[in-house]
Amino acid sequence: GIQVEQSPPDLILQEGANSTLRCNFSDSVNNLQWFHQNPWGQLINLFYIPSGTKQNGRLSATTVATERYSLLYISSSQTTDSGVYFCAVEPDFNKFYFGSGTKLNVKP
Amino acid sequence: DAMVIQNPRYQVTQFGKPVTLSCSQTLNHNVMYWYQQKSSQAPKLLFHYYDKDFNNEADTPDNFQSRRPNTSFCFLDIRSPGLGDAAMYLCATSRDRENASYNEQFFGPGTRLTVL
Repeated sequence: GIQVEQSPPDLILQEGANSTLRCNFSDSVNNLQWFHQNPWGQLINLFYIPSGTKQNGRLSATTVATERYSLLYISSSQTTDSGVYFCAVEPDFNKFYFGSGTKLNVKP
Repeated sequence: DAMVIQNPRYQVTQFGKPVTLSCSQTLNHNVMYWYQQKSSQAPKLLFHYYDKDFNNEADTPDNFQSRRPNTSFCFLDIRSPGLGDAAMYLCATSRDRENASYNEQFFGPGTRLTVL
């Protein structure tokens, strides 16, 4: 099956710092999403980004499908950005597989 | 607002006692998914429904079953819960690729299952 790897596994930032999270996948995919899981377990949609670049406020994402990776950029981080960030890929229709996540802790 | 709803948010059951978790959606999406997420792990797909067609993941234990009586509702049945089945259970929906140019998933808040 497809392998989905995220790095780094853990990240500690000072408030205001920038960061880049990476998602590598081992096979071609139809779809890629980035999620933020809050402390209560809710998965919040950040980006649907099978290819290209998107921006939403302080967050942006880039997927290079031909090279099988995606990057999530967080600028001017805030304490509310803390939590776990997951990428999920869809190698076959309606089958999604998650990476192991990046746990982000933003300190005031 | 259109959404995915899961009830209950917290469920406690006894070892071996059947339990049912429910999910409903107002998005009118074709596809509904169930994931299991254990502590400090990634969500793992158990199965999904495309309309009434059930699609099981190869490594999903037989102890887990699902029902989708209509477009809006989907149930997860655990026939004989073991201690290892304690986890967060997440329901998600999406349109499918044949009906939409994209297949974005939307998740409910999850049900946290405790097995005593």
